[in-house]
Amino acid sequence: AQKITQTQPGMFVQEKEAVTLDCTYDTSDPSYGLFWYKQPSSGEMIFLIYQGSYDQQNATEGRYSLNFQKARKSANLVISASQLGDSAMYFCAMREGWGNNNDMRFGAGTRLTVKP
Amino acid sequence: KAGVTQTPRYLIKTRGQQVTLSCSPISGHRSVSWYQQTPGQGLQFLFEYFSETQRNKGNFPGRFSGRQFSNSRSEMNVSTLELGDSALYLCASSPDLAPNNEQFFGPGTRLTVL
Repeated sequence: AQKITQTQPGMFVQEKEAVTLDCTYDTSDPSYGLFWYKQPSSGEMIFLIYQGSYDQQNATEGRYSLNFQKARKSANLVISASQLGDSAMYFCAMREGWGNNNDMRFGAGTRLTVKP
Repeated sequence: KAGVTQTPRYLIKTRGQQVTLSCSPISGHRSVSWYQQTPGQGLQFLFEYFSETQRNKGNFPGRFSGRQFSNSRSEMNVSTLELGDSALYLCASSPDLAPNNEQFFGPGTRLTVL
């Protein structure tokens, strides 16, 4: 079963505006971590931000923030003041607990294009 | 600290051949994961190793195998290559298996099967 869902294959945003990339997840494990990665056209995967299931506050890292709504099982990435260099694929990922099947699973990704 | 390194960066093989890809994790990291990335299937989990033991395995045929050495370096092998194996193969390392640990990715090996 798909555990991470990113419903937006592509998004456009005007430079300097904010954009929200959606991510929903499915788990019955009370302990899990949620991650967002950026993949530019060069192919490298760059870690952006992390949210733990027990964290009370939404994570923030510079221009990136994570809108964590635990009851709705959503972990949307918000990028403020978009820059041209933000154009890339963005992946949401989740890692559950410590069990034998706690490999990190990725969503299908959202391609963000920032317009000048 | 040096990042995750993968060799080779590019590889061209023909159907039926086999290939071995190598990954050196960040120093001190004991967990290594492998992913296959294709335009159609996205990022697919292959397997994860921790302390030389395979902990998790994705839904791939037995032609895909891997191992981890005592220094945490990992190799993955694909035998009897098929055209559909053409992909970017990404390796990632993390200190351990904790759910709060981010994975650090290497630059990937781009495999083309002709």
